[in-house]
Amino acid sequence: EDQVTQSPEALRLQEGESSSLNCSYTVSGLRGLFWYRQDPGKGPEFLFTLYSAGEEKEKERLKATLTKKESFLHITAPKPEDSATYLCAVQSQTGANSKLTFGKGITLSVRP
Amino acid sequence: KAGVTQTPRYLIKTRGQQVTLSCSPISGHRSVSWYQQTPGQGLQFLFEYFSETQRNKGNFPGRFSGRQFSNSRSEMNVSTLELGDSALYLCASSLFGPSSYNEQFFGPGTRLTVL
Repeated sequence: EDQVTQSPEALRLQEGESSSLNCSYTVSGLRGLFWYRQDPGKGPEFLFTLYSAGEEKEKERLKATLTKKESFLHITAPKPEDSATYLCAVQSQTGANSKLTFGKGITLSVRP
Repeated sequence: KAGVTQTPRYLIKTRGQQVTLSCSPISGHRSVSWYQQTPGQGLQFLFEYFSETQRNKGNFPGRFSGRQFSNSRSEMNVSTLELGDSALYLCASSLFGPSSYNEQFFGPGTRLTVL
């Protein structure tokens, strides 16, 4: 069974204090790893897709990387508006179809 | 381009009742997935529909069902509601079917409270 573990559960940063969020996964036949951002009371917002080990993607202050066992979401010089829950999900192959398994998320708080 | 829309946004029901939630995907998207999100369990996959056919199903009881129409809109039904069904129900649409690499785009969710 596919498993996704995100750590830490919660992270509090000072504005400008860079850090990384971890997503460890166990999956048979990884087809893609996705990062989402979710604000309170809203649906998850798509950030990145990573398909193979070594791949990196960047968007503003965020950079996502992927290895064979884990992914990191690096946040450089975060701002208070980066406060949100960050979700990681893996897409695996099941027969002719694929399915998405989510981690429980990391709640990030950035203080001004 | 309009995003995924879900109606209603909020629902309050009592135990034993049934409820129907609606989801309209992004125009041109043919796949719709449903998820249940609770603080304790996180996001859990319910089912996925593509071309009006259920393609994937999560580990939920048969009280949870869904369907997809020819215009790709989808509905989810929960019968005989239980207190534990209180959750945020999220719908996500994607361009291709479940056999392809596919980003999913989420709607704002329906907050269901069962009293």
